[in-house]
Amino acid sequence: AQSVTQLDSQVPVFEEAPVELRCNYSSSVSVYLFWYVQYPNQGLQLLLKYLSGSTLVKGINGFEAEFNKSQTSFHLRKPSVHISDTAEYFCAVISNFGNEKLTFGTGTRLTIIP
Amino acid sequence: KAGVTQTPRYLIKTRGQQVTLSCSPISGHRSVSWYQQTPGQGLQFLFEYFSETQRNKGNFPGRFSGRQFSNSRSEMNVSTLELGDSALYLCASSFGTSGGEETQYFGPGTRLLVL
Repeated sequence: AQSVTQLDSQVPVFEEAPVELRCNYSSSVSVYLFWYVQYPNQGLQLLLKYLSGSTLVKGINGFEAEFNKSQTSFHLRKPSVHISDTAEYFCAVISNFGNEKLTFGTGTRLTIIP
Repeated sequence: KAGVTQTPRYLIKTRGQQVTLSCSPISGHRSVSWYQQTPGQGLQFLFEYFSETQRNKGNFPGRFSGRQFSNSRSEMNVSTLELGDSALYLCASSFGTSGGEETQYFGPGTRLLVL
């Protein structure tokens, strides 16, 4: 079984400041990792994903995430946030053995303060 | 290419009624997954269909059911609605099965309110 923990339910950040949203996972097998963003009254949009290779993954809208196998983490970062980044962010994990379901964390609400 | 579409976008029902939600995947995608999103439980997997067959199922009661048609469009049905079924129901499609590296593309969701 796999699980995802997003320790911060809410993160307020000043505009143009950097941000890190934390994600830790648990799994007995190798996994693929994803970050999704959900803007108000919308569905989820893929920000980035880690499948293999370089542990630093770059995504859309200036976001990046680093896969750390020893710490079982996949933290999301952005060097300078904008008002438009206000949204809820979900970390998700899936086993790479197939026939598994995508498991989501509880989400982190990012609020940008002007 | 058009994205995932879900209809209706909003629904209000009363306890005991049943409801059917529809999802049209991205053209060429054969896998459709359904999720329930609530403030208390977050995003929970309901089921996945691939080529008209249910491949995976989450931990939901039998009141929740679904199906997929030959054109990959999918419907989910909830019978005997309960207040706790109020949620945003999200549909996601992918080209192959949802396991592993396939990216799931989400629709805008159907917001269901049960009174």
